[in-house]
Amino acid sequence: ETGVTQTPRHLVMGMTNKKSLKCEQHLGHNAMYWYKQSAKKPLELMFVYNFKEQTENNSVPSRFSPECPNSSHLFLHLHTLQPEDSALYLCASSQVLAGETQYFGPGTRLLVL
Amino acid sequence: EDKVVQSPLSLVVHEGDTVTLNCSYEVTNFRSLLWYKQEKKAPTFLFMLTSSGIEKKSGRLSSILDKKELSSILNITATQTGDSAIYLCAVRHTGNQFYFGTGTSLTVIP
Repeated sequence: ETGVTQTPRHLVMGMTNKKSLKCEQHLGHNAMYWYKQSAKKPLELMFVYNFKEQTENNSVPSRFSPECPNSSHLFLHLHTLQPEDSALYLCASSQVLAGETQYFGPGTRLLVL
Repeated sequence: EDKVVQSPLSLVVHEGDTVTLNCSYEVTNFRSLLWYKQEKKAPTFLFMLTSSGIEKKSGRLSSILDKKELSSILNITATQTGDSAIYLCAVRHTGNQFYFGTGTSLTVIP
């Protein structure tokens, strides 16, 4: 499945580092999402972009900063993270108003030391 | 508060068994319910249900929605080791929000 790609697939960073996660969708969708998946917890929606405009921000700490330059690309900029931010970060896309499901990327496994 | 609850949290069965996974929800402005299978990384789509009482079927998997009971079940017949995964239920809100349950971890033993 190459409809939604994410890089890097694995990332280890220190608490003072700055890094970025990248997501790209090749499905012609107009909505993109960032989710956080921690062990034994439901997927937590972090951000939603519809037509490049951010429409949801679920009380995510400011150390996570999203960027959506166009409808095919989505970034998550990371700065001064905490160890509890270690998780799998999943990107997804969908077609708004068309009743379609979300398609997920393979995720980035993040470890904050 | 909108929420999605799945049960059981985990399940261990032998090959050939039939399993039923449950999903209940409390979501305002319901639009659809979705089932996903997550093996190692990305969840992969199984079913989308919008109408009550209409079964969706794909091979050995089937699912049905009960809007009156605010619930859905996912059935897997003649289970195989390749069915071992986490099965996620999500409810889509009309505002394009998706609410996920914690998932049911299924292990199929040969």
